[in-house]
Amino acid sequence: GAVVSQHPSRVICKSGTSVKIECRSLDFQATTMFWYRQFPKQSLMLMATSNEGSKATYEQGVEKDKFLINHASLTLSTLTVTSAHPEDSSFYICSAWGSGGGNQPQHFGDGTRLSIL
Amino acid sequence: EDQVTQSPEALRLQEGESSSLNCSYTVSGLRGLFWYRQDPGKGPEFLFTLYSAGEEKEKERLKATLTKKESFLHITAPKPEDSATYLCAVQAEGYQKVTFGIGTKLQVIP
Repeated sequence: GAVVSQHPSRVICKSGTSVKIECRSLDFQATTMFWYRQFPKQSLMLMATSNEGSKATYEQGVEKDKFLINHASLTLSTLTVTSAHPEDSSFYICSAWGSGGGNQPQHFGDGTRLSIL
Repeated sequence: EDQVTQSPEALRLQEGESSSLNCSYTVSGLRGLFWYRQDPGKGPEFLFTLYSAGEEKEKERLKATLTKKESFLHITAPKPEDSATYLCAVQAEGYQKVTFGIGTKLQVIP
């Protein structure tokens, strides 16, 4: 149980392109999903918390106009990196709480490796 | 601000050589401490949640323990398939955010 699927697993695109990443909870409903960014040899950095049906809450220093988050259903959240540049290249990972909400651990997708040329 | 420090950064063990990974934390009221395993190019895989000092949990060759200031992940007689990065994370009471450490990269040599 508590399977989170993330798509695509890898994206390579030109500078200036917008890229959408999907995060789905396959066997449970996720009212809250999280988006992280991970650089090599660094910890997972929370970018934003995504609540179904409401605006995402962004961490300090994360540009909300650059990283658009939509959580329109209980099983799907999307992260769109707008007008991506090489410095946006990173490993992006989503997660969701299992059924039971905040008393449960987060379950993670397998991440998206984004490379901007 | 919540902080998580993991040591060592990297650990190389012979197959069967038991050891422990350390996670030191500071948090304003612990809701939960989490251990995850992360393989290269993959998302973290959940291992354990610990909620209060003195609690212990086991799964196969892994055992996690918790005190008021730190947690240990004990690995007994590791196998090469235990090679991965092990992440520790904490969540404070009343907050959704989980703070992660950098992890310990474990390599088990046959």
